[in-house]
Amino acid sequence: AQSVTQPDIHITVSEGASLELRCNYSYGATPYLFWYVQSPGQGLQLLLKYFSGDTLVQGIKGFEAEFKRSQSSFNLRKPSVHWSDAAEYFCAVGVEGAQKLVFGQGTRLTINP
Amino acid sequence: DAGITQSPRHKVTETGTPVTLRCHQTENHRYMYWYRQDPGHGLRLIHYSYGVKDTDKGEVSDGYSVSRSKTEDFLLTLESATSSQTSVYFCAISDRTGGRGYNEQFFGPGTRLTVL
Repeated sequence: AQSVTQPDIHITVSEGASLELRCNYSYGATPYLFWYVQSPGQGLQLLLKYFSGDTLVQGIKGFEAEFKRSQSSFNLRKPSVHWSDAAEYFCAVGVEGAQKLVFGQGTRLTINP
Repeated sequence: DAGITQSPRHKVTETGTPVTLRCHQTENHRYMYWYRQDPGHGLRLIHYSYGVKDTDKGEVSDGYSVSRSKTEDFLLTLESATSSQTSVYFCAISDRTGGRGYNEQFFGPGTRLTVL
């Protein structure tokens, strides 16, 4: 069965610093991978997705993610974070044969001024 | 933003009472989902629907039932609420794809349920 691991429960970075959030998945075939962001008290918003093709995908708000099959990873990056990026971030993988997602536990991002 | 509303947005109830949460969409999407979000667990799928009157269980379906009599509405019912069902509940929708593919899910604003 598919699974997703986000090893970091909480990350703190300074405003203007670079960011990398880790995501590892378990899946036999080519996965469908997603990153969502959740601001406090809000629903989830899609940041980016990977289905196939170029392994570096660009998303909204200046985020990007790189799919690495050899490492079963889909890490999210941003070169310079802003205070408004403080939120919880979820990685998800699509379930084979069904229109369902399996989510990781989430990583809460705090930004220091 | 995708047209998804959830009602109520907040509810406090007592153990043993029935509770129904409603998800309404205006996008005419085929698939609808109910998740619960708890600290340390991310989002876990309760039930989902792949068409009118077509539903299936997710990973945490015990104690919950769903119904979908119209494309636009997906109801989640707790027949007899328990304190362990205190959570934030999210509805999501997605559309079908052609061939082997996958569409992202769009999420509603959530319902915060407290069972005393």
